[in-house]
Amino acid sequence: GAVVSQHPSRVICKSGTSVKIECRSLDFQATTMFWYRQFPKQSLMLMATSNEGSKATYEQGVEKDKFLINHASLTLSTLTVTSAHPEDSSFYICSAHSQGAQYGELFFGEGSRLTVL
Amino acid sequence: AQTVTQSQPEMSVQEAETVTLSCTYDTSESNYYLFWYKQPPSRQMILVIRQEAYKQQNATENRFSVNFQKAAKSFSLKISDSQLGDTAMYFCAFMKPTGSGNTGKLIFGQGTTLQVKP
Repeated sequence: GAVVSQHPSRVICKSGTSVKIECRSLDFQATTMFWYRQFPKQSLMLMATSNEGSKATYEQGVEKDKFLINHASLTLSTLTVTSAHPEDSSFYICSAHSQGAQYGELFFGEGSRLTVL
Repeated sequence: AQTVTQSQPEMSVQEAETVTLSCTYDTSESNYYLFWYKQPPSRQMILVIRQEAYKQQNATENRFSVNFQKAAKSFSLKISDSQLGDTAMYFCAFMKPTGSGNTGKLIFGQGTTLQVKP
């Protein structure tokens, strides 16, 4: 099946620094990627929709200057958490929508655990 | 706006028995997709089963089956012959069909933590 890879799987950073998380579709072209945030034992909350070659669409309440999303190619989207604070510590998951998929199946990355000290 | 509700935060079942997880949703759309995803302790999201709303027949995948009641907007998951490896958090999810500007965005329920006991 289709594979989506996230990197890094775990990252620890100091408060005030920026962290970049990559989401790659390894064997298909992803016109659209989604970024989710998940707190422990809670559901996935959609943060933004990333479209190749255009600006991301952010969900209500998500700070676009805080969570920068870039989708520069059909196989790569990046999420940069700028000026990270301890409250940004969370599990971040990306998913990719395959171009031409008939039923819109999404493929998920393995997730990235961010810890801000 | 679409919403998905899972009213069972936690459930448990004995190994080899059957368990049903409930899910209800709200939408004004006539055509859409419904999914059940499994998230084991590894946190990797795994697709368990999907249902297309225009299909009346309930989807089945080996030990997993759904009871899709479109009029009642209900989409429950039945796991038969439960195995220890089924222990995970299960999410019900809704998606509008892609095309016509729809991006395939998934809307998740709150999740149900299932514990399979030996």
